[in-house]
Amino acid sequence: NAGVTQTPKFQVLKTGQSMTLQCAQDMNHEYMSWYRQDPGMGLRLIHYSVGAGITDQGEVPNGYNVSRSTTEDFPLRLLSAAPSQTSVYFCASSKPPMGTDTQYFGPGTRLTVL
Amino acid sequence: AQTVTQSQPEMSVQEAETVTLSCTYDTSESNYYLFWYKQPPSRQMILVIRQEAYKQQNATENRFSVNFQKAAKSFSLKISDSQLGDTAMYFCAFMAYLGGSQGNLIFGKGTKLSVKP
Repeated sequence: NAGVTQTPKFQVLKTGQSMTLQCAQDMNHEYMSWYRQDPGMGLRLIHYSVGAGITDQGEVPNGYNVSRSTTEDFPLRLLSAAPSQTSVYFCASSKPPMGTDTQYFGPGTRLTVL
Repeated sequence: AQTVTQSQPEMSVQEAETVTLSCTYDTSESNYYLFWYKQPPSRQMILVIRQEAYKQQNATENRFSVNFQKAAKSFSLKISDSQLGDTAMYFCAFMAYLGGSQGNLIFGKGTKLSVKP
């Protein structure tokens, strides 16, 4: 198993550009989520999905879109990048219920918006 | 709303000694899980230890153990025999267990631990 994979590892964007951060898992996990990590802020939830076709907002969803067409993939879209979106982004997955499993994180994507 | 507080932004410890990282949380939920994650310079988030709130016994994983005080809403991490490889950011996290489904992870702001030779 590759676990949770994220691409790209690094990305530089200009303000107003759009891009998609890719996340995939090969563990047949139903639950997937996106977090952003900013200095001194810990990780904050952006969006999450409890299964294909189902997504919901987390703590900081503004400026981001997600979709979940398959169990394996959960892309995060930035429609018009802003400097405030400079951050490290983590994708995570788990197979509910949490009592028998835990969240597995991808290696992260460092995004810089100029 | 749930919150997680880590009051120690940075700590240091000598190699082979013991260190305790503090974490407190606030919730009105009765069923939940608590976690400690380690983030080394590689940036990878690694689960260190997990505690189910309904279990009175404190979780242990090799050199890592927790002191879970449910009434006080406290969840500290003790690292024994500290090793240079323990140098990392440590995050405390909370998740409510919502009767068959799950809530989302809520993280503290982290404690940067440096192990000195």
